[in-house]
Amino acid sequence: DTEVTQTPKHLVMGMTNKKSLKCEQHMGHRAMYWYKQKAKKPPELMFVYSYEKLSINESVPSRFSPECPNSSLLNLHLHALQPEDSALYLCASSQASGLNNEQFFGPGTRLTVL
Amino acid sequence: GENVEQHPSTLSVQEGDSAVIKCTYSDSASNYFPWYKQELGKGPQLIIDIRSNVGEKKDQRIAVTLNKTAKHFSLHITETQPEDSAVYFCAASINFNKFYFGSGTKLNVKP
Repeated sequence: DTEVTQTPKHLVMGMTNKKSLKCEQHMGHRAMYWYKQKAKKPPELMFVYSYEKLSINESVPSRFSPECPNSSLLNLHLHALQPEDSALYLCASSQASGLNNEQFFGPGTRLTVL
Repeated sequence: GENVEQHPSTLSVQEGDSAVIKCTYSDSASNYFPWYKQELGKGPQLIIDIRSNVGEKKDQRIAVTLNKTAKHFSLHITETQPEDSAVYFCAASINFNKFYFGSGTKLNVKP
């Protein structure tokens, strides 16, 4: 299984809502990532988890809260978002150590904040 | 930090022609250079990668070259097909958890 799955595929939320994005992989990868991608732009790294511990936080606003409950799952909790947070949110995973560091991306969640 | 520049931003070729996309990077410590293809509505998919101890790598119609001295690397697609139409991103990595992406190239292959 070389797939990263993300749910939901689309999400529309108001600025006062609380929602969560979910990501799952069963490749035995111990590094997982959240990226944000705006239209016609490259992915921007938000968070990296390595062995279920947060290792990189790219100065992301606290209205985004990541969680890695186990080695296969990654969540992104959303609260009090702004319209400018509307984007494609991508999850990725990779080996955490060694030379094989290909990142496998999921299909993304298209988020719209009203 | 690392800075990756990618050119051109758009590229239009006729089916069967070759396409070349170029990237430059700023940090000589970068040691891993993947290329991703992103189709509309999908996540990026790795198509080829190269490490700093290798100068060239080929996989069927796709090849990547790396010039460490000049700090640039290129993607070459030969015999292009309409299904090659997508946005292509290069990236550079200094450590294995952080990628610095180029700005992307939209490739259009005309049948």
